[in-house]
Amino acid sequence: GQQVQQSPASLVLQEGENAELQCNFSTSLNSMQWFYQRPGGSLVSLFYNPSGTKHSGRLTSTTVIKERRSSLHISSSQTTDSGTYLCALEPGANTGKLTFGHGTILRVHP
Amino acid sequence: EAAVTQSPRNKVAVTGGKVTLSCNQTNNHNNMYWYRQDTGHGLRLIHYSYGAGSTEKGDIPDGYKASRPSQENFSLILELATPSQTSVYFCASGEGSYEQYFGPGTRLTVL
Repeated sequence: GQQVQQSPASLVLQEGENAELQCNFSTSLNSMQWFYQRPGGSLVSLFYNPSGTKHSGRLTSTTVIKERRSSLHISSSQTTDSGTYLCALEPGANTGKLTFGHGTILRVHP
Repeated sequence: EAAVTQSPRNKVAVTGGKVTLSCNQTNNHNNMYWYRQDTGHGLRLIHYSYGAGSTEKGDIPDGYKASRPSQENFSLILELATPSQTSVYFCASGEGSYEQYFGPGTRLTVL
Protein backbone atom coordinates (compact mmCIF):
# COMPACT_ATOMS: atom_id res chain seq x y z
CA GLY A 1 0.00 0.00 0.00
CA GLN A 2 0.96 3.62 -0.34
CA GLN A 3 3.39 4.77 2.33
CA VAL A 4 2.21 8.37 2.36
CA GLN A 5 -1.47 9.26 2.29
CA GLN A 6 -2.68 12.85 1.95
CA SER A 7 -6.18 14.06 2.71
CA PRO A 8 -8.35 15.54 1.52
CA ALA A 9 -7.53 14.99 -2.15
CA SER A 10 -9.08 18.36 -2.92
CA LEU A 11 -10.53 21.25 -0.98
CA VAL A 12 -12.51 24.35 -1.91
CA LEU A 13 -12.57 27.35 0.42
CA GLN A 14 -13.95 30.83 0.48
CA GLU A 15 -11.31 33.47 1.05
CA GLY A 16 -10.74 33.97 4.75
CA GLU A 17 -11.54 30.39 5.77
CA ASN A 18 -9.01 28.13 7.42
CA ALA A 19 -7.75 24.79 6.09
CA GLU A 20 -6.21 21.70 7.65
CA LEU A 21 -4.29 19.37 5.34
CA GLN A 22 -3.27 15.94 6.56
CA CYS A 23 -0.39 13.62 5.76
CA ASN A 24 -0.41 10.12 7.25
CA PHE A 25 2.42 7.70 6.85
CA SER A 26 2.90 3.99 7.46
CA THR A 27 6.70 3.86 7.72
CA SER A 28 9.24 5.17 10.16
CA LEU A 29 10.22 8.79 9.67
CA ASN A 30 13.61 10.42 9.36
CA SER A 31 12.43 13.71 7.91
CA MET A 32 9.23 15.37 6.69
CA GLN A 33 8.89 18.21 4.22
CA TRP A 34 5.88 20.17 2.91
CA PHE A 35 5.88 21.72 -0.57
CA TYR A 36 3.62 24.05 -2.53
CA GLN A 37 3.18 23.75 -6.28
CA ARG A 38 1.29 25.98 -8.71
CA PRO A 39 -0.11 24.33 -11.86
CA GLY A 40 2.82 23.89 -14.22
CA GLY A 41 5.21 25.17 -11.58
CA SER A 42 8.03 23.89 -9.47
CA LEU A 43 7.98 22.73 -5.86
CA VAL A 44 8.49 25.42 -3.28
CA SER A 45 9.55 24.23 0.14
CA LEU A 46 7.19 25.43 2.87
CA PHE A 47 8.48 23.49 5.86
CA TYR A 48 11.18 21.06 6.79
CA ASN A 49 9.60 19.60 9.90
CA PRO A 50 10.68 16.14 11.13
CA SER A 51 8.93 16.66 14.48
CA GLY A 52 7.06 19.26 16.49
CA THR A 53 5.41 22.47 15.35
CA LYS A 54 6.73 25.21 13.08
CA HIS A 55 5.17 28.50 12.02
CA SER A 56 5.63 30.68 8.98
CA GLY A 57 3.22 33.57 8.55
CA ARG A 58 -0.27 32.10 8.12
CA LEU A 59 1.08 28.56 7.85
CA THR A 60 1.66 26.07 10.66
CA SER A 61 3.12 22.60 10.32
CA THR A 62 2.82 19.95 13.04
CA THR A 63 4.45 16.53 12.88
CA VAL A 64 3.67 13.88 15.50
CA ILE A 65 5.92 10.91 14.87
CA LYS A 66 4.29 8.46 17.29
CA GLU A 67 0.92 9.07 15.63
CA ARG A 68 2.48 8.84 12.16
CA ARG A 69 0.97 12.06 10.92
CA SER A 70 1.88 15.55 9.84
CA SER A 71 -0.49 18.44 9.20
CA LEU A 72 -0.40 21.78 7.47
CA HIS A 73 -2.72 24.48 8.74
CA ILE A 74 -3.52 27.50 6.60
CA SER A 75 -5.25 30.34 8.38
CA SER A 76 -7.22 33.15 6.74
CA SER A 77 -6.84 31.66 3.27
CA GLN A 78 -6.25 33.88 0.25
CA THR A 79 -6.87 33.26 -3.45
CA THR A 80 -3.10 33.16 -3.95
CA ASP A 81 -2.95 30.06 -1.71
CA SER A 82 -4.61 28.05 -4.49
CA GLY A 83 -2.46 25.21 -5.78
CA THR A 84 -1.27 21.77 -4.77
CA TYR A 85 0.24 20.97 -1.40
CA LEU A 86 2.56 17.99 -1.19
CA CYS A 87 4.05 16.24 1.77
CA ALA A 88 7.17 14.09 1.43
CA LEU A 89 8.96 11.94 3.94
CA GLU A 90 12.28 10.25 4.19
CA PRO A 91 11.83 6.79 5.71
CA GLY A 92 14.25 6.09 8.51
CA ALA A 93 17.35 5.30 6.50
CA ASN A 94 19.21 8.63 6.33
CA THR A 95 19.48 8.47 2.53
CA GLY A 96 17.76 11.74 1.69
CA LYS A 97 15.39 9.82 -0.59
CA LEU A 98 11.91 11.33 -0.41
CA THR A 99 8.60 9.50 -0.82
CA PHE A 100 5.81 11.85 -1.84
CA GLY A 101 2.09 11.85 -1.20
CA HIS A 102 -0.23 12.54 -4.11
CA GLY A 103 -1.06 15.99 -2.82
CA THR A 104 -4.06 18.09 -1.82
CA ILE A 105 -5.43 20.44 -4.47
CA LEU A 106 -6.63 23.63 -2.83
CA ARG A 107 -8.87 26.19 -4.49
CA VAL A 108 -9.66 29.42 -2.71
CA HIS A 109 -12.51 31.48 -4.15
CA PRO A 110 -12.82 35.24 -3.64
CA GLU B 1 19.56 33.84 -7.84
CA ALA B 2 17.97 30.44 -8.52
CA ALA B 3 20.05 27.82 -6.75
CA VAL B 4 18.88 24.82 -8.83
CA THR B 5 18.53 25.29 -12.57
CA GLN B 6 17.51 22.84 -15.28
CA SER B 7 17.92 22.78 -19.03
CA PRO B 8 16.18 22.53 -21.33
CA ARG B 9 12.89 23.70 -19.86
CA ASN B 10 10.92 22.05 -22.64
CA LYS B 11 11.96 19.25 -24.97
CA VAL B 12 10.28 17.32 -27.75
CA ALA B 13 12.04 14.10 -28.72
CA VAL B 14 11.36 11.24 -31.09
CA THR B 15 10.97 7.63 -30.04
CA GLY B 16 14.35 5.90 -30.03
CA GLY B 17 16.29 9.13 -29.77
CA LYS B 18 18.72 10.10 -27.06
CA VAL B 19 17.74 12.77 -24.56
CA THR B 20 19.94 14.43 -21.94
CA LEU B 21 18.44 16.57 -19.20
CA SER B 22 20.85 18.75 -17.27
CA CYS B 23 20.76 20.12 -13.75
CA ASN B 24 23.06 22.61 -12.06
CA GLN B 25 23.06 23.63 -8.39
CA THR B 26 24.91 26.38 -6.58
CA ASN B 27 23.95 25.23 -3.08
CA ASN B 28 27.15 23.21 -2.70
CA HIS B 29 25.02 20.24 -1.64
CA ASN B 30 26.44 16.76 -1.81
CA ASN B 31 23.15 15.07 -2.73
CA MET B 32 21.26 15.53 -5.98
CA TYR B 33 18.09 13.83 -7.18
CA TRP B 34 16.05 13.29 -10.31
CA TYR B 35 12.26 12.84 -10.00
CA ARG B 36 9.48 12.57 -12.52
CA GLN B 37 5.93 13.78 -11.91
CA ASP B 38 2.92 12.17 -13.53
CA THR B 39 -0.77 12.53 -12.90
CA GLY B 40 -1.92 9.63 -10.76
CA HIS B 41 1.58 8.72 -9.65
CA GLY B 42 2.84 11.86 -8.02
CA LEU B 43 6.59 12.41 -7.82
CA ARG B 44 8.84 9.37 -8.09
CA LEU B 45 12.59 9.11 -7.63
CA ILE B 46 14.58 7.96 -10.68
CA HIS B 47 18.25 8.36 -9.74
CA TYR B 48 20.23 10.17 -7.09
CA SER B 49 23.81 10.95 -6.22
CA TYR B 50 25.82 11.47 -3.05
CA GLY B 51 28.60 13.38 -4.73
CA ALA B 52 30.74 13.75 -7.82
CA GLY B 53 31.28 10.43 -9.54
CA SER B 54 28.49 8.62 -7.69
CA THR B 55 25.06 7.62 -8.95
CA GLU B 56 22.45 5.42 -7.29
CA LYS B 57 19.24 3.87 -8.55
CA GLY B 58 16.02 5.25 -7.19
CA ASP B 59 12.58 3.69 -7.26
CA ILE B 60 12.02 3.74 -11.04
CA PRO B 61 15.46 3.66 -12.75
CA ASP B 62 14.62 1.47 -15.76
CA GLY B 63 15.25 3.24 -19.05
CA TYR B 64 17.31 6.00 -17.44
CA LYS B 65 20.96 6.61 -16.71
CA ALA B 66 22.51 9.34 -14.62
CA SER B 67 25.84 11.12 -14.57
CA ARG B 68 27.39 13.30 -11.85
CA PRO B 69 30.63 14.74 -13.28
CA SER B 70 30.99 17.44 -10.64
CA GLN B 71 29.50 18.69 -7.38
CA GLU B 72 27.36 21.17 -9.30
CA ASN B 73 26.08 19.10 -12.22
CA PHE B 74 23.82 16.07 -12.45
CA SER B 75 22.44 14.77 -15.75
CA LEU B 76 19.64 12.37 -16.59
CA ILE B 77 20.09 10.41 -19.81
CA LEU B 78 17.46 8.61 -21.82
CA GLU B 79 19.43 6.50 -24.31
CA LEU B 80 16.37 5.27 -26.21
CA ALA B 81 13.44 7.53 -25.42
CA THR B 82 9.95 6.03 -25.38
CA PRO B 83 6.51 7.71 -25.24
CA SER B 84 6.05 6.36 -21.71
CA GLN B 85 8.86 8.68 -20.64
CA THR B 86 6.78 11.73 -21.51
CA SER B 87 6.61 13.55 -18.19
CA VAL B 88 7.77 16.51 -16.17
CA TYR B 89 11.22 15.97 -14.68
CA PHE B 90 12.48 17.72 -11.57
CA CYS B 91 15.98 17.93 -10.22
CA ALA B 92 16.65 18.64 -6.55
CA SER B 93 19.62 19.13 -4.27
CA GLY B 94 19.96 18.55 -0.54
CA GLU B 95 22.36 17.75 2.27
CA GLY B 96 21.85 14.45 4.03
CA SER B 97 18.37 14.16 5.47
CA TYR B 98 17.78 17.88 5.43
CA GLU B 99 15.63 20.13 3.28
CA GLN B 100 15.62 19.56 -0.48
CA TYR B 101 15.45 22.35 -3.04
CA PHE B 102 13.90 21.80 -6.43
CA GLY B 103 14.61 23.15 -9.88
CA PRO B 104 11.95 24.60 -12.20
CA GLY B 105 11.32 21.34 -14.05
CA THR B 106 11.69 20.10 -17.62
CA ARG B 107 8.66 19.16 -19.64
CA LEU B 108 9.60 16.27 -21.95
CA THR B 109 7.37 15.01 -24.74
CA VAL B 110 8.41 11.87 -26.62
CA LEU B 111 6.56 11.41 -29.90
